[in-house]
Amino acid sequence: AQSVTQPDIHITVSEGASLELRCNYSYGATPYLFWYVQSPGQGLQLLLKYFSGDTLVQGIKGFEAEFKRSQSSFNLRKPSVHWSDAAEYFCAVGRMDSSYKLIFGSGTRLLVRP
Amino acid sequence: GAGVSQTPSNKVTEKGKYVELRCDPISGHTALYWYRQSLGQGPEFLIYFQGTGAADDSGLPNDRFFAVRPEGSVSTLKIQRTERGDSAVYLCASSPNAGEKTQYFGPGTRLLVL
Repeated sequence: AQSVTQPDIHITVSEGASLELRCNYSYGATPYLFWYVQSPGQGLQLLLKYFSGDTLVQGIKGFEAEFKRSQSSFNLRKPSVHWSDAAEYFCAVGRMDSSYKLIFGSGTRLLVRP
Repeated sequence: GAGVSQTPSNKVTEKGKYVELRCDPISGHTALYWYRQSLGQGPEFLIYFQGTGAADDSGLPNDRFFAVRPEGSVSTLKIQRTERGDSAVYLCASSPNAGEKTQYFGPGTRLLVL
């Protein structure tokens, strides 16, 4: 069965520091992968996605993620965090053989210290 | 352009009551999804529509939950005999068609069952 693991429930970083949020997935075929961000009381905003091709993908707000098939990972990174990045981040995996039913991780809450 | 909209933004009801949650997808999007997000969790898939038909309703937890999309645009999620465990944020997402894998989410409806 498909699953997504985000091992860090909370992460706290100082403003200006670098960030890496971890995501591991379990899926028997080639997945397609997403990172979404959710601010309090808001819906999910798409940060970036990977379908195929270059394994390093760029997204909005200065975020990037790297797909590593050998490690079944799709970690999200940002070189310098801003206070406005404080939010909940969700990794999701979908199937290549159908275009529905995203499977989400349980999320990582990012706190930013001034 | 307008994104996915959901109404109401908040709904408080009493145990045993019936509720309807509405989703207006992005104009022209033929694929529509409902997810449920419990506190501290990632969204969980409920149902997927392609056009007017429910292509996959495997995520609906039981027969108290039902969803319709009669004209292939607006969708309504219906919950009968609500229970306290139904309290969650209900998210709607749409995508241009079944082959387009990116889903665009609305702000959600926060349902509280007392």
